[in-house]
Amino acid sequence: DAGVTQSPTHLIKTRGQHVTLRCSPISGHKSVSWYQQVLGQGPQFIFQYYEKEERGRGNFPDRFSARQFPNYSSELNVNALLLGDSALYLCASSSAGGIYEQYFGPGTRLTVT
Amino acid sequence: GQSLEQPSEVTAVEGAIVQINCTYQTSGFYGLSWYQQHDGGAPTFLSYNALDGLEETGRFSSFLSRSDSYGYLLLQELQMKDSASYFCAVSISSGSARQLTFGSGTQLTVLP
Repeated sequence: DAGVTQSPTHLIKTRGQHVTLRCSPISGHKSVSWYQQVLGQGPQFIFQYYEKEERGRGNFPDRFSARQFPNYSSELNVNALLLGDSALYLCASSSAGGIYEQYFGPGTRLTVT
Repeated sequence: GQSLEQPSEVTAVEGAIVQINCTYQTSGFYGLSWYQQHDGGAPTFLSYNALDGLEETGRFSSFLSRSDSYGYLLLQELQMKDSASYFCAVSISSGSARQLTFGSGTQLTVLP
């Protein structure tokens, strides 16, 4: 079975631009979470979606938004990019609404110049 | 808010046993997870404790004391491939909201 997939793998954007990151969960998983990881730190929680509804939101500005589609795939959108948004963005899925056991995708490396 | 504390680095030799501690302060706590991440890789789930006590999964064990807001990951019979970052993460529940908060990670180096 395929694991969690994310696209693109790498992305370079300019300050002020907008970016959309995509994630497909493991088949059968209905929950998707998004995390931001900067070098040397643990993943920071951004959003959790379960059954297409937002279940949790981390301490990120409103420039960050997400949604989950009927097939449980998800998009993370970031507007008005700042240099500090440069990070690895990880998507994780889990089989139910529980969040403790997550399966992570390989991530999207975003560089903002 | 939430806070988690874990050592930044641990070094041990092959075949040894190492314990990585994690203390946390949070409201809405309902469990402690552990994840492993190799350089350039994605975090992978290792174990989860919702109740006090020890959970064993092969060479890895995890312990939780809710009254002490403390847990640890125990790695036995260390192998070179265990060199990685290890993160403790608390699961937090507030109503229907769910959140997983990670610590800053412990870099484990296994020496031959």
